[in-house]
Amino acid sequence: ETGVTQTPRHLVMGMTNKKSLKCEQHLGHNAMYWYKQSAKKPLELMFVYSLEERVENNSVPSRFSPECPNSSHLFLHLHTLQPEDSALYLCASSQDRLVSYEQYFGPGTRLTVT
Amino acid sequence: DAKTTQPPSMDCAEGRAANLPCNHSTISGNEYVYWYRQIHSQGPQYIIHGLKNNETNEMASLIITEDRKSSTLILPHATLRDTAVYYCIVRFRGVQGAQKLVFGQGTRLTINP
Repeated sequence: ETGVTQTPRHLVMGMTNKKSLKCEQHLGHNAMYWYKQSAKKPLELMFVYSLEERVENNSVPSRFSPECPNSSHLFLHLHTLQPEDSALYLCASSQDRLVSYEQYFGPGTRLTVT
Repeated sequence: DAKTTQPPSMDCAEGRAANLPCNHSTISGNEYVYWYRQIHSQGPQYIIHGLKNNETNEMASLIITEDRKSSTLILPHATLRDTAVYYCIVRFRGVQGAQKLVFGQGTRLTINP
């Protein structure tokens, strides 16, 4: 596979469930990102990882827990979510976080919290 | 942080050039202008970026005014598959130096047959 892949593509979960979103990049990039896109709202940056170290957390609630075990994989662990967390969750990667390299996005995971 | 202003929607006939404007009057000297697009229910796709000079690639051309306060993305021969929301973004460094792309509402471009 090439580019940035995300699994699952669709997820429905109850508020008491625990689930994880997975992102994998096959581009040899060093930086990875999680974004949230709610209906009728712009994309919001959630987390930034560079060389497996979290370098930015944009005031995201603790019910979202990211994990970056290596530079190719990024997870978003979800627990006790709220219905307003229903959104499209997008993963992206870039060659480096400090210079103006373009970001490549995955197809997203459409999350519905019931 | 430089902000961008784009028209909320535009229409263009298939086969014609689509010209998408963007205002970024508060841009600073070391900030780049990026364009991305998002086709319905897909992840955003990088199109092009520039600093001062006009840029062209296989997807589009980017024209930046001399004062850098505005730019135009040009899709030379629009097709139905170019229907998408187009985002003009000025890239700045966050407090911790991370590369941030701040997405606004974008322009919803509809290509009509």
